[in-house]
Amino acid sequence: QLVLTQSPSASASLGDSVRLTCTLSSGHSRYAIAWHQQQPEKGPRYLMNLNSDGSHNKGDGIPDRFSGSSSGAERYLTISSLQSEDESDYYCQTWDTGVVVFGGGTKLTVL
Amino acid sequence: EVQLVESGGGLVKPGGSLRLSCAASGFTFSDYSMDWVRQAPGKGLEWVSSISVSRTYIYYADSVKGRMTVSRDNAEKSLYLQMNSLRAEDTAVYYCARAVDYYDTSGDYNHYFDLWGQGTLVIVSS
Repeated sequence: QLVLTQSPSASASLGDSVRLTCTLSSGHSRYAIAWHQQQPEKGPRYLMNLNSDGSHNKGDGIPDRFSGSSSGAERYLTISSLQSEDESDYYCQTWDTGVVVFGGGTKLTVL
Repeated sequence: EVQLVESGGGLVKPGGSLRLSCAASGFTFSDYSMDWVRQAPGKGLEWVSSISVSRTYIYYADSVKGRMTVSRDNAEKSLYLQMNSLRAEDTAVYYCARAVDYYDTSGDYNHYFDLWGQGTLVIVSS
């Protein structure tokens, strides 16, 4: 069964960088994922689609501060030059034969 | 403007029914699969249902199978979710999402969301 695992929380200081991780379950290491951001009290927003080779396609208007990379079963979202508006929940998402799977989300706090 | 706008949410009693709508604008609706995703209060995102462009492929989460029906009208650029036999655990904000279908660099089929609506709240309570 395909499972996406995310740490429940992360924190970093204003202006710093942070890397969030989404881990694919055993046997699914080559799956692509998508990253979505959800700011407080708002609907989700698509950030990027990320392939197993690290290639990614960002959504319209997503700043260059957001980037993606991959290593084995792990998919990363790196946010550099953190800003206060980056304080959000971040979800990874993928697909497996008729089922869409979401990770549990990571709540990012900007200190 | 490219957007999705949901409507039809509200308060309904357990066992009741509700029909959600999602109006698309600013893009060619008939080029995309569409999905419903929900979020219970204070919880994460949960996928509900997916429908392909020509309605050939329709999928549901186990939690709603047999109780909810997804449909679409490409001429009206609209997506629908008919919800029956509603339960308290169906209480959530329901989002419609535009899906991109493609084959990735590994040759595997992928389906991800590149546009979200603002959501409509459904409360199931007596």
